[in-house]
Amino acid sequence: DGGITQSPKYLFRKEGQNVTLSCEQNLNHDAMYWYRQDPGQGLRLIYYSQIVNDFQKGDIAEGYSVSREKKESFPLTVTSAQKNPTAFYLCASSLTGSNYGYTFGSGTRLTVV
Amino acid sequence: GESVGLHLPTLSVQEGDNSIINCAYSNSASDYFIWYKQESGKGPQFIIDIRSNMDKRQGQRVTVLLNKTVKHLSLQIAATQPGDSAVYFCAENYNSGSARQLTFGSGTQLTVLP
Repeated sequence: DGGITQSPKYLFRKEGQNVTLSCEQNLNHDAMYWYRQDPGQGLRLIYYSQIVNDFQKGDIAEGYSVSREKKESFPLTVTSAQKNPTAFYLCASSLTGSNYGYTFGSGTRLTVV
Repeated sequence: GESVGLHLPTLSVQEGDNSIINCAYSNSASDYFIWYKQESGKGPQFIIDIRSNMDKRQGQRVTVLLNKTVKHLSLQIAATQPGDSAVYFCAENYNSGSARQLTFGSGTQLTVLP
């Protein structure tokens, strides 16, 4: 089945640590996205990539980094510079061009301990 | 109804009643709109979409209405069921220059009462 897979589902981070969230898709989508969701709020864009080896900052990129070495994969690293990383992280992918929606993964809940 | 930037509004309906969820979108140049459903702890799922050259589109038990004059979108759910309880997001799609992106509203929490 085609889809987008995020792992792990739950992740705990100690203060000062970097952690990497995985996102893999087999939908042959060119574009991939990372969003952060806080309780009772909408989705905020962290980074997006429309093509391999290229990515752009979203609205809240500070403290995060990404890579896009393969079309299928778009990992997100939450660095120690992100002061409030506890949130629900969602990865999405889409075809490029107009009038295409996003397919979302099931999310990773990151908690700082 | 919801609007980008506001905290989560809520809507409670009796099982079997119809639900109407509203969304005020921000960009008059947006030409494609989507409704997503997000259950607790899960990723958003596509429900229905509509292009700007339409004002109404129907799916199974759901209807989306688009009023471009006042930049308003609504989702109607017929005969609401307990499984419809979730957060519902609208999203608008417009060309921001270098890339097309979806912009999401803050969502509406729908609770179906027995």
